[in-house]
Amino acid sequence: DARVTQTPRHKVTEMGQEVTMRCQPILGHNTVFWYRQTMMQGLELLAYFRNRAPLDDSGMPKDRFSAEMPDATLATLKIQPSEPRDSAVYFCASGPPGTGYLYTEAFFGQGTRLTVV
Amino acid sequence: GESVGLHLPTLSVQEGDNSIINCAYSNSASDYFIWYKQESGKGPQFIIDIRSNMDKRQGQRVTVLLNKTVKHLSLQIAATQPGDSAVYFCAEAPEGDDKIIFGKGTRLHILP
Repeated sequence: DARVTQTPRHKVTEMGQEVTMRCQPILGHNTVFWYRQTMMQGLELLAYFRNRAPLDDSGMPKDRFSAEMPDATLATLKIQPSEPRDSAVYFCASGPPGTGYLYTEAFFGQGTRLTVV
Repeated sequence: GESVGLHLPTLSVQEGDNSIINCAYSNSASDYFIWYKQESGKGPQFIIDIRSNMDKRQGQRVTVLLNKTVKHLSLQIAATQPGDSAVYFCAEAPEGDDKIIFGKGTRLHILP
C-alpha cells in the first residue's frame, strides 16, 4: 500500500529550537509539496520540488524555513529558530509524473503536528 | 488530531440525500481543479479532478461541475453517507504551473 510517510507525527518544542520534519514520498513520484495548515489560514503551500529541484518556495518564510530533497526518497522541512506562530500541521504530498501534462493528483501524508511553546 | 478551522462554512445534509458543495475560484488562468476530502486527523485525500477543457466529470457517487464563465466549481455527492462527513477543499492550479492552491474548505455534516 503506497503512501507518503511523514515523521514525526507530533512534535512539541521550545521557542528557539530547531525543528526538522521529514517526508518519504511515494516511490516513483517526482513532485513533492510542503503545505502548512492552520485554523486561520487553511492549507498554505510553502514549497514544492520536481525531480528534487525546488521550483517554488515563495510561500515559505526564508529567514527561518528551509526545504531540501537530499535524495528522491527524502524531503525535509527545517525551521530554525522556531517560533510559537509556527505551530501548525505540516503536510507533505507527492505526485506522480504527469502524462502529457504538468501534474496529476497529489497524495498527502498524515502530517506533522508541530507545537512551539 | 484536529486539523481544520473553526470558521469554515458548514453544510448539513440528511443521510441519503444528495450534497452539493460549491467553490468560487479567483484565478481565471487556472486550468486544473481538484476536490479533496479531509477527515479529522488525516491529510487531504483526492476525490476527483477536472481540467478546464471539460465542464463535467463523474466518478463513483461524485460529480464535479466547472463553470469557467463565472469561475465556479461544485462537487455533488450522491446518496450522502455518514462516512462522507469531512471538510472538503477545492484546489486549483494555474495554466503552465503545477502549484496546487487550496481554497478555504467546507465542512459537510451528515444528519442521521
